[in-house]
Amino acid sequence: QVQLVQSGAEVKKPGASVKVSCKASGYTFTSYYIHWVRQAPGQGLEWVGIINPSTGSTTYAQKFQGRVTMTRDTSTNTANLDLSSLRSEDTAVYYCAIGPTWRFEYWGQGTLVTVSS
Amino acid sequence: EIVLTQSPGTLSLSPGERATLSCRASQSVSRSYLAWYQQKSGQAPRLLIYGASTRATGIPDRFSGSGSGTDFTLTITRLEPEDFAVYYCQQYGTSRTFGQGTKVEIK
Repeated sequence: QVQLVQSGAEVKKPGASVKVSCKASGYTFTSYYIHWVRQAPGQGLEWVGIINPSTGSTTYAQKFQGRVTMTRDTSTNTANLDLSSLRSEDTAVYYCAIGPTWRFEYWGQGTLVTVSS
Repeated sequence: EIVLTQSPGTLSLSPGERATLSCRASQSVSRSYLAWYQQKSGQAPRLLIYGASTRATGIPDRFSGSGSGTDFTLTITRLEPEDFAVYYCQQYGTSRTFGQGTKVEIK
């Protein structure tokens, strides 16, 4: 069965960077696009961006451009999200999710990133 | 960017009752690109409906979606205890955006 297992919680200071990973199993890694979606405490869902695991091409939500980098490693079936210049508003649970380009069929368990001085 | 507005914010109902959730878009959305998700407390969201009306794998038939253009609806015909959760609509136009969510709570 499809499984997306994310890395553990992170605590970062403002201005720092964070890397969240998502290890996929149970399907052909290149068969689905990989999205990242975040959810601030008590808030709704916000799409961060998408990576094509076959080609590595990415599209980021305009809000995050310049601060976000998505990569993938096809040898380990892992996708990574790097977010830099962290601020308190970036405190959120970050989810990886897979699906076609426009929807999210399977989700990881989420990774809490806390930004605090 | 297309803005999705969900109503009501909170729906208080009893098990066995019918729930009707609304999602209104700021501009027309293709039916093919409208989805609904369920999120229970402390869990990741789960895909319920895509293409406005197609149930995802394993979703019971008490969940149904309808609508077109700017108005979409998620209906749960008879609420089960496990259906009390937050529901989000989501669209794909030039980007992917979510509504702010509707909480279905036990009355």
